Amino acid sequence: KQEVTQIPAALSVPEGENLVLNCSFTDSAIYNLQWFRQDPGKGLTSLLLIQSSQREQTSGRLNASLDKSSGRSTLYIAASQPGDSATYLCAVMNYGGATNKLIFGTGTLLAVQP
Amino acid sequence: EAQVTQNPRYLITVTGKKLTVTCSQNMNHEYMSWYRQDPGLGLRQIYYSMNVEVTDKGDVPEGYKVSRKEKRNFPLILESPSPNQTSLYFCASSRWTGEYNEQFFGPGTRLTVL
Repeated sequence: KQEVTQIPAALSVPEGENLVLNCSFTDSAIYNLQWFRQDPGKGLTSLLLIQSSQREQTSGRLNASLDKSSGRSTLYIAASQPGDSATYLCAVMNYGGATNKLIFGTGTLLAVQP
Repeated sequence: EAQVTQNPRYLITVTGKKLTVTCSQNMNHEYMSWYRQDPGLGLRQIYYSMNVEVTDKGDVPEGYKVSRKEKRNFPLILESPSPNQTSLYFCASSRWTGEYNEQFFGPGTRLTVL
């Protein structure tokens, strides 16, 4: 059974710092891994999708990497800003089947202090 | 604007009173899903639909019904809500399944059952 873990559960950094959020998964047979941002009252916003054949994806100040063999992904945020404060979730889609189900970690709550 | 919408956003109801949470997407997506989010448990899939008139159970379907009569709409029905269905509900949609699948989520519906 696929399990997704995110460490740390919470993180507080001063503005301007570069930071890394971690995601690990137990079954490497995945189609893809997706990073989301969750703001209170605003649902989930898709940040980056990494396909199983890719090693990384970049969008602006965000860079996500994927190492399927070790069951790990990282989300790198450069030059953090107070507006980056949110909960960050990673989710994997297992290979096979047609449920379209994402298996989520429980998230990292990020606070960027001005 | 491409989006997934849900209504209502907030709902307080009493045990046993039937309710429907609507979900609509304007991206012509085939796949739609419902998730619930609970503290410590993360997001779990309730039901999914691969296309019009095709629906199936996810991981936690008990107490819920869905229908997919039109491609854009995927309502979640609670025929006899109970307090253990108090949760934050998300609707999601995507074009495909598999490696290239990127899922988009609605803003969430916070349901309280008294």
